[in-house]
Amino acid sequence: EIVLTQSPATLSLSPGERATLSCRASQSVSSYLAWYQQKPGQAPRLLIFDASNRATGIPARFSGSGSGTDFTLTISSLEPEDFAVYYCQQRSNWPRITFGGGTKVEIK
Amino acid sequence: EVQLVESGGGLIQPGGSLRLSCAASGFSVSNNYMSWVRQAPGKGLEWVSVIYSGGSTYYADSVKGRFTISRDNSENTLYLQMNSLRAEDTAVYYCARIINYYHVGDYWGQGILVTVSS
Repeated sequence: EIVLTQSPATLSLSPGERATLSCRASQSVSSYLAWYQQKPGQAPRLLIFDASNRATGIPARFSGSGSGTDFTLTISSLEPEDFAVYYCQQRSNWPRITFGGGTKVEIK
Repeated sequence: EVQLVESGGGLIQPGGSLRLSCAASGFSVSNNYMSWVRQAPGKGLEWVSVIYSGGSTYYADSVKGRFTISRDNSENTLYLQMNSLRAEDTAVYYCARIINYYHVGDYWGQGILVTVSS
């Protein structure tokens, strides 16, 4: 099983600040990594697929980068609606996809 | 408009059975990969099962032999039959449409809570 480790567990930032979230894979997943946003009581929302491709309707302030084992989700300037939990997901050994443990972005 | 609506959750005793439904609208479940993903209270996401458009099915090791994914094309509905339920199956269960090739969930239901407890 490919294990995804996200860091930090919690990120405390103010609106307007830049958020940098990390996802590290236990083995190479090439560029087959996605990012989701989840707000309390809601389903996950797809943000990024294949490391750097924004999903339909996702604002340009969200960007993804990385390949192999190290990936980053960057939110260039936090909006109030961006405070949420973010998960990474690999599809390298589809159909056995796995998710990271999540990073909570909270208001400082 | 694409929509997924889960139903069938609730409180069930250990060892019991439950069938979850996921009614789809705005697209055809038979032409798409469809998955179930669960989230234990306060925890992260865990993939449970997938059914391909061709009908092949796959399961996480944690549910293999106990859960069965299926679909009714005429009802445009996805199902998850859960047998021999355990306390550790307690979670919110989401159905999701999977984008072919990219293998990510682009549309998700609102989730349904399954609680396994005596």
